[in-house]
Amino acid sequence: DAKTTQPPSMDCAEGRAANLPCNHSTISGNEYVYWYRQIHSQGPQYIIHGLKNNETNEMASLIITEDRKSSTLILPHATLRDTAVYYCIVSRRDDKIIFGKGTRLHILP
Amino acid sequence: GAVVSQHPSRVICKSGTSVKIECRSLDFQATTMFWYRQFPKQSLMLMATSNEGSKATYEQGVEKDKFLINHASLTLSTLTVTSAHPEDSSFYICSGLAGGGTDTQYFGPGTRLTVL
Repeated sequence: DAKTTQPPSMDCAEGRAANLPCNHSTISGNEYVYWYRQIHSQGPQYIIHGLKNNETNEMASLIITEDRKSSTLILPHATLRDTAVYYCIVSRRDDKIIFGKGTRLHILP
Repeated sequence: GAVVSQHPSRVICKSGTSVKIECRSLDFQATTMFWYRQFPKQSLMLMATSNEGSKATYEQGVEKDKFLINHASLTLSTLTVTSAHPEDSSFYICSGLAGGGTDTQYFGPGTRLTVL
C-alpha cells in the first residue's frame, strides 16, 4: 500500500501558485519524498525529491515539515500544461516506487 | 532529467499471440528497471523489478510465465506478454533507476497494448 495520503483533486487558477499537500506520517528516517506527475496517456514525469531540507528546481519547490510527516509541492506559476495527476511517494533511494491514487490537479483558465 | 524510451508506443495484436515491449535508458545506465501497468482511470501498478543479468522479481499476483522480463544490458529491458488475451490490454510503462548518487527513477512514455 502507498504510504502517503493526498487529496483526490484540486483546482488552481492559471498564473497562481499551486500548493499540493501530502501526508506521510509513517515515513522512515532513510526514506525520501518524491513527486512525480502524469499527464494523460504519458509516462510519469519526475518533478523533485527531498529528504528533510526544502528543495527547489526549475519545475517546483518542495517544502517538508520539520517532523517530516507532511510535505507540500509548490508550482509557482501554474499553466494549463500543469494539468495532471500528481503523485507524492515515499521511498528509499534505491527502492521500488509504489504509486497511490495521487491528486488530480485542474488548472483553470 | 534522464531519458527512457519504449518501443513500440502502441501495439494491437490478436488473442493468443505474444508481444515484446522494449525499454531503453538512453543517457544513463540502469542496473535496475521496473515494469508497471496501468488500467484506465487507475494508478500505476508495479509488476516486476528487473536487475541486469539476473532474474526479475515479480509482485504478488503477477504471473512470471506470462510476463517474461529480460534485462540483458545496462540500457535495455524487455517485457514479453505471452499468449496475450483481451484482459491483458493495458498501458505498460517501464522505468530505469539512475544511480550515481541521484537514485531517481525515470519513466518511459508507455506502450499501449490492445489485444483483440
